[in-house]
Amino acid sequence: DQQVKQNSPSLSVQEGRISILNCDYTNSMFDYFLWYKKYPAEGPTFLISISSIKDKNEDGRFTVFLNKSAKHLSLHIVPSQPGDSAVYFCAARPGGSGSYQLTFGKGTKLSVIP
Amino acid sequence: GAGVSQSPSNKVTEKGKDVELRCDPISGHTALYWYRQSLGQGLEFLIYFQGNSAPDKSGLPSDRFSAERTGGSVSTLTIQRTQQEDSAVYLCASSQRRKDTQYFGPGTRLTVL
Repeated sequence: DQQVKQNSPSLSVQEGRISILNCDYTNSMFDYFLWYKKYPAEGPTFLISISSIKDKNEDGRFTVFLNKSAKHLSLHIVPSQPGDSAVYFCAARPGGSGSYQLTFGKGTKLSVIP
Repeated sequence: GAGVSQSPSNKVTEKGKDVELRCDPISGHTALYWYRQSLGQGLEFLIYFQGNSAPDKSGLPSDRFSAERTGGSVSTLTIQRTQQEDSAVYLCASSQRRKDTQYFGPGTRLTVL
């Protein structure tokens, strides 16, 4: 049973436009969410995170939105650049003292077209 | 470099053989994690080490899998009697403390023929 779902395996966006990557989760115990970016033959790189006490976190061109009632989060990239082309993974972890395990989605491959 | 390193980058083995995968975490990071990513899947948690505490092995898929961390630094993941379904990319990550951001190595691509 997938607890973190990224329903779009791929997404193509024109350079300069907005990229929106979506993620849904089912476990109501999750209280911290992260996005990782992965280039081929490299490990995932941390991009941005959000705690469940917030509904938005922004870092430069990257903004993550969290809708707890819908158990949905999204990553917005504005403006999109060709170097953003990569696989993006959504990850989540529960609260509590033992909460170090990250549960990952299957990833969305973003292609930014010049 | 100061990042997480893993070796080998690629490993091809025959079914039934044992393999060892190595991870060098970022210096000073007390927490170390192993994940694997099978084709078309997300990252799957395998095992977690924190300092000198007993590791959390809850993600290991079978008793053919084991891992150790010597001196609180380097870790080795061992897969005995490999099977074709063990083929995956094995990723190691480390963090400064338990709930801090995890930094990943480049992974080891294991192919079991």
